[in-house]
Amino acid sequence: GAGVSQSPSNKVTEKGKDVELRCDPISGHTALYWYRQRLGQGLEFLIYFQGNSAPDKSGLPSDRFSAERTGESVSTLTIQRTQQEDSAVYLCASSLAAEQYFGPGTRLTVT
Amino acid sequence: AQSVTQLDSQVPVFEEAPVELRCNYSSSVSVYLFWYVQYPNQGLQLLLKYLSGSTLVKGINGFEAEFNKSQTSFHLRKPSVHISDTAEYFCAVSDSGYNKLIFGAGTRLAVHP
Repeated sequence: GAGVSQSPSNKVTEKGKDVELRCDPISGHTALYWYRQRLGQGLEFLIYFQGNSAPDKSGLPSDRFSAERTGESVSTLTIQRTQQEDSAVYLCASSLAAEQYFGPGTRLTVT
Repeated sequence: AQSVTQLDSQVPVFEEAPVELRCNYSSSVSVYLFWYVQYPNQGLQLLLKYLSGSTLVKGINGFEAEFNKSQTSFHLRKPSVHISDTAEYFCAVSDSGYNKLIFGAGTRLAVHP
């Protein structure tokens, strides 16, 4: 079946602009996660959605970052007033249980 | 708080040699442990996972890992590597009741002919 998909695959934006990144999880997966991977580093947890529970936002680095999820489907990660340090690959994952399935990521470059 | 330490940032090895990628974790609760692989310009793929039961876990592509609770380690091994194993390998941990993953910084495995 279809895996996790993310769009766009690449995004170049100017400093100060807002960006929206989209994630389509595997159908039926109740949990959805966003991670950030800076160049040469491991993944940092950003936010976690589980069903209708309140999301765990403990990993969001600043109030410029926010995310929404519609039911158990699409999620959007929004970064307002982008800064150069926001440049990274943003990865989405979904799961039913312990194993997370990752999308290909969105490479964000802030110039 | 949980954390993961991957002791080697880079591991060069010749083809058909054995390899071990080291991972240590810290956690005050039960853990689930994972190894993911990231091939160049690709997403993360699960290699193997430890949830409970046997401490020796076998995964895809001939990899295996051993959970050692007393040493808080989960080292990844392969007896004979191939050029195609060249990739970045990430160790990760999560709480037993919560699936947020905490990742190590990664180990770049470079297999040379």
